[in-house]
Amino acid sequence: KAGVTQTPRYLIKTRGQQVTLSCSPISGHRSVSWYQQTPGQGLQFLFEYFSETQRNKGNFPGRFSGRQFSNSRSEMNVSTLELGDSALYLCASSLGAGGNSPLHFGNGTRLTVT
Amino acid sequence: KQEVTQIPAALSVPEGENLVLNCSFTDSAIYNLQWFRQDPGKGLTSLLLIQSSQREQTSGRLNASLDKSSGRSTLYIAASQPGDSATYLCAVPPLNFGNEKLTFGTGTRLTIIP
Repeated sequence: KAGVTQTPRYLIKTRGQQVTLSCSPISGHRSVSWYQQTPGQGLQFLFEYFSETQRNKGNFPGRFSGRQFSNSRSEMNVSTLELGDSALYLCASSLGAGGNSPLHFGNGTRLTVT
Repeated sequence: KQEVTQIPAALSVPEGENLVLNCSFTDSAIYNLQWFRQDPGKGLTSLLLIQSSQREQTSGRLNASLDKSSGRSTLYIAASQPGDSATYLCAVPPLNFGNEKLTFGTGTRLTIIP
C-alpha cells in the first residue's frame, strides 16, 4: 500500500508570493491534517480535513488555507509569503477523523522563503 | 491547554545499551498517546500507539508505557543500534478535541554511538 505522498519535496519562493502544496493520503484514508515544523516552534497543527470539510484549525493567520477533494487528496495554500513561513510542512492521513485514528505522515515539503 | 514535554532534548548512548525516553503531558484527558521517530529532513514514522485504557504496548525492541494519572509515558529501546539514531516525538490528541488534533512534544534527539 502506498504511503502518504507530498509534492513537491522542495520549494524556494520569494516574499510576497503564494504557494500550493499537495498531499495524497493513503488509499482509503479520509482524514488529512497538516502540520508546520520549524526548529523554534516544533510541530504545530495547521488544519484537518475530513470528507472535504475542514474540521479543525490551528492558530495560524488566514494566509494559510487548505482544501480537500472528493478523492481525499488535499492542498494547502499560503499567500503573501513571509520569511517566517520557511518550514517543513507535513501532511498526515488517517482512516477517521478525531484523535483516535493513528496518523501516517508523508516526508514533507521543505519550503524556503527568501 | 495541553502541554507535552520531552526530557532530555538530546541523548547519546553506546550501541547495545538499553535506554528510556520520557514524555510528560499536563492534561490526562487523552484518547491515546503515540510515539513517532523522525529522521533528518524526513516525515514522521509511527512507532507505537497506546490507547488510554492500556498500560503498555510492544513492537520488537520497543516498549511504550502509559501512566495517565501521572501524565507520563516512556519509550524503552532495548539493545540499541546505530539505526535507532533519530529524533523521537510523543504526541497526544485531546479528548475534548479543541482546535488541535495532536499536541507534539519537542522531541528527544537520540544518537547511538557505534
